[in-house]
Amino acid sequence: KAGVTQTPRYLIKTRGQQVTLSCSPISGHRSVSWYQQTPGQGLQFLFEYFSETQRNKGNFPGRFSGRQFSNSRSEMNVSTLELGDSALYLCASSWRGELEAFFGQGTRLTVV
Amino acid sequence: SQELEQSPQSLIVQEGKNLTINCTSSKTLYGLYWYKQKYGEGLIFLMMLQKGGEEKSHEKITAKLDEKKQQSSLHITASQPSHAGIYLCGAELSGGSNYKLTFGKGTLLTVNP
Repeated sequence: KAGVTQTPRYLIKTRGQQVTLSCSPISGHRSVSWYQQTPGQGLQFLFEYFSETQRNKGNFPGRFSGRQFSNSRSEMNVSTLELGDSALYLCASSWRGELEAFFGQGTRLTVV
Repeated sequence: SQELEQSPQSLIVQEGKNLTINCTSSKTLYGLYWYKQKYGEGLIFLMMLQKGGEEKSHEKITAKLDEKKQQSSLHITASQPSHAGIYLCGAELSGGSNYKLTFGKGTLLTVNP
C-alpha cells in the first residue's frame, strides 16, 4: 500500500513568486491536512480538507490557500512568497479526519 | 506563549539508558498524540491517549496521560540508536471535532552507542 506522496520534495523560489505543492493521500483516505514546520514556530496547522470541503483553517494569511480534488488529492498554494515562508510543508492523510494520521515526507520550500 | 510545552528541548543519552520526555498543555486536553520525526522527514504516529490515567506501550516506549496536570510523558526504556529522532507531542485542544492538532516544538533525542 503506497504511503502519502508529496511532490516536489524540494523547491527553491524567489520572493514574490507563487508556488503549488501537491499531496496524494493513501488510497481510500478522504481527509488531507497540511502543516508548516519551521525551526522558530514548530509545526503549525494550515488547513484540513475532506471530500473537497475545507473543514478547518489555521491562522495563516490569505496568501496560503488549498483545495482538494474528487480523487482526494490535495494542493496548497502560496502566493507572493516571502522569505519567512521557507519551511518544510507536511501533509497528512486519514480516513475521515482522524488525528492519528499518516504523514508524507514533506516538501522543503526555500524562498530566496 | 506556547500552548504545548515540551521538555527537555534536547536530550543526549548513552545507549541502554532510560529517558523521559514531558509534554504539558496550558489548555484542556481532549486527546494527546505522540509522533516521531527523523530530521527533515515526515512524522510517524506512535501513540494516542485520550483518557486521564491512560497508559500505552509499544515495544520499549510507554506513554502516560495525567489529565489533572494536563500533562503527558513518554518514557523509553533501554534506549537504542534507532530511538534517535525528534519526538513531538500533538494535542486536541478543542472539544469539538476540528481535525487539527496543536504541536509542541519537539524534543531532539540523540542516543550514543
